[in-house]
Amino acid sequence: AQTVTQSQPEMSVQEAETVTLSCTYDTSENNYYLFWYKQPPSRQMILVIRQEAYKQQNATENRFSVNFQKAAKSFSLKISDSQLGDTAMYFCACLPMSGNQFYFGTGTSLTVIP
Amino acid sequence: EPEVTQTPSHQVTQMGQEVILRCVPISNHLYFYWYRQILGQKVEFLVSFYNNEISEKSEIFDDQFSVERPDGSNFTLKIRSTKLEDSAMYFCASRAGEGYTEAFFGQGTRLTVV
Repeated sequence: AQTVTQSQPEMSVQEAETVTLSCTYDTSENNYYLFWYKQPPSRQMILVIRQEAYKQQNATENRFSVNFQKAAKSFSLKISDSQLGDTAMYFCACLPMSGNQFYFGTGTSLTVIP
Repeated sequence: EPEVTQTPSHQVTQMGQEVILRCVPISNHLYFYWYRQILGQKVEFLVSFYNNEISEKSEIFDDQFSVERPDGSNFTLKIRSTKLEDSAMYFCASRAGEGYTEAFFGQGTRLTVV
């Protein structure tokens, strides 16, 4: 069974500051992908960042980076220099390579305060 | 940029009525999904569809649910006899194909069963 857990239902951060969103997962698979998706209010989910489990190097996309700890099954998202447009719901997800199904967490609602 | 579109954005229906949620996936994508999120809970997998047939489905996806791709562009989710507990946000997603890990999501349809 695969599960994804996001323990922070809501978070807030001051504009220009850094925030870290937590995610842990459990999977019996050796090969899988991990994702952070962002869902702005009334908009669709869009991919923020992706990590292949077989890669040790943490993925980075501009102001977004992850801390991938495979042994601990932890996949946190760091947002640097937070902007008002970062206000959104953030979902952590896992896609086992052997399957076709994404497993999502419950989401973290992030508010960037001006 | 191509995107997944869903209609309607909000649907209110009486218990026991049939509803059809519509999705237009990205053209040339091969994998299609329906997910749902009950307020405050995880985003849950319902069904995946590939090559004109269901490839995976969850326990939630019982006989009350069905999917169709009637005309090569639309991808619909039908709930035959809605229950109060079907009230949720329903997300459609598509993925380009094998080897492409990113799923593109629609903005969701909020279904309210009264």
